[in-house]
Amino acid sequence: EPEVTQTPSHQVTQMGQEVILRCVPISNHLYFYWYRQILGQKVEFLVSFYNNEISEKSEIFDDQFSVERPDGSNFTLKIRSTKLEDSAMYFCASSEAGSGPYEQYFGPGTRLTVT
Amino acid sequence: DAKTTQPTSMDCAEGRAANLPCNHSTISGNEYVYWYRQIHSQGPQYIIHGLKNNETNEMASLIITEDRKSSTLILPHATLRDTAVYYCIVRVSGGYNKLIFGAGTRLAVHP
Repeated sequence: EPEVTQTPSHQVTQMGQEVILRCVPISNHLYFYWYRQILGQKVEFLVSFYNNEISEKSEIFDDQFSVERPDGSNFTLKIRSTKLEDSAMYFCASSEAGSGPYEQYFGPGTRLTVT
Repeated sequence: DAKTTQPTSMDCAEGRAANLPCNHSTISGNEYVYWYRQIHSQGPQYIIHGLKNNETNEMASLIITEDRKSSTLILPHATLRDTAVYYCIVRVSGGYNKLIFGAGTRLAVHP
């Protein structure tokens, strides 16, 4: 069964450093998403991406964040200068394109710890 | 904010059916009901979705009331591995539409 994969599973970084979280969506999916979940809190939408453009972003997704599809398989989330409050689980998701009720499939997540 | 209301927690005995309710009284005609679950800190897992008819797949059944203002997710024979947080989400059709997660229902399946 196809699945979304994410690397690394755990990333530890110092405040102010740049991090790149990587995701490989399901191969025939064209919509990609990032969500995050701070420990003990709800899963929050960050950004959606389609056709090499951001479709929608939340207020969390400020100028410190960026997304990219650098090749035909990877989808990345970059945080330019990490803050302590960026510590969270980051989930990538993908879905088919179109107007149908397509479900999103999530990866296992990357735990980001900012010290 | 999430447009659904779910109980905070529920218990279920292993082997019994788990019936998880969800209220979505403000649902629009073009919004689907989706159910996801999250086991510990893993990524949310899709379970099932429906518009107005009842739906069944290998994981669960979804019963939607005729007025569509509420639904019930049924796990017919709960196992310990079904212990998770279950999220009921309403969402307009379209792969581009984000999911808005609420707090969900924490289901504990016990022996």
